[in-house]
Amino acid sequence: GAGVSQTPSNKVTEKGKYVELRCDPISGHTALYWYRQSLGQGPEFLIYFQGTGAADDSGLPNDRFFAVRPEGSVSTLKIQRTERGDSAVYLCASSRDRGQGTDTQYFGPGTRLTVL
Amino acid sequence: AQRVTQPEKLLSVFKGAPVELKCNYSYSGSPELFWYVQYSRQRLQLLLRHISRESIKGFTADLNKGETSFHLKKPFAQEEDSAMYYCALSGGADGLTFGKGTHLIIQP
Repeated sequence: GAGVSQTPSNKVTEKGKYVELRCDPISGHTALYWYRQSLGQGPEFLIYFQGTGAADDSGLPNDRFFAVRPEGSVSTLKIQRTERGDSAVYLCASSRDRGQGTDTQYFGPGTRLTVL
Repeated sequence: AQRVTQPEKLLSVFKGAPVELKCNYSYSGSPELFWYVQYSRQRLQLLLRHISRESIKGFTADLNKGETSFHLKKPFAQEEDSAMYYCALSGGADGLTFGKGTHLIIQP
């Protein structure tokens, strides 16, 4: 079946601009995660959705970052007033359910964001 | 705070040699540990998790709570094992905490 998809695959923007990154999770997966991966680093957790609600947004670096998942499927990560330090690969992952234990997270290919 | 340390940025071994990728963690409770792998031009994918106690593609990893380690091992490396390997921890919080990764290169 189709895996997690993310669009766009690459996004180049100028400092100060607004960007939106989209994630389509695996159909039926209720949990959705956003991570950010800077060069030479491992993925860093940003936010987790269970259904439509953000269950944990403790990883968002500041209030310029915001994410939504209005219908419990597709999610959009929004970054306002972008800064050069926001340049990174933004990864999305989904899992079936939290349930008992930690379900396997399936990752998308990522969106490479470059802020000039 | 939870933390995952992978001390080797790069590990190069010859085909057929044993491989050990090191992972140490810091967490006060009972974590769940994972190894994720990213092959060239592919997405990040789960390799194995400690709770399953299984061998995937010849790799095994044992959780050592005394040493707070979860090293990944394979007795005989193959060229197709070349990839980035990430150790990750889940402490009951919802997101995974990843190490910085080890780039494994298997030389022919």
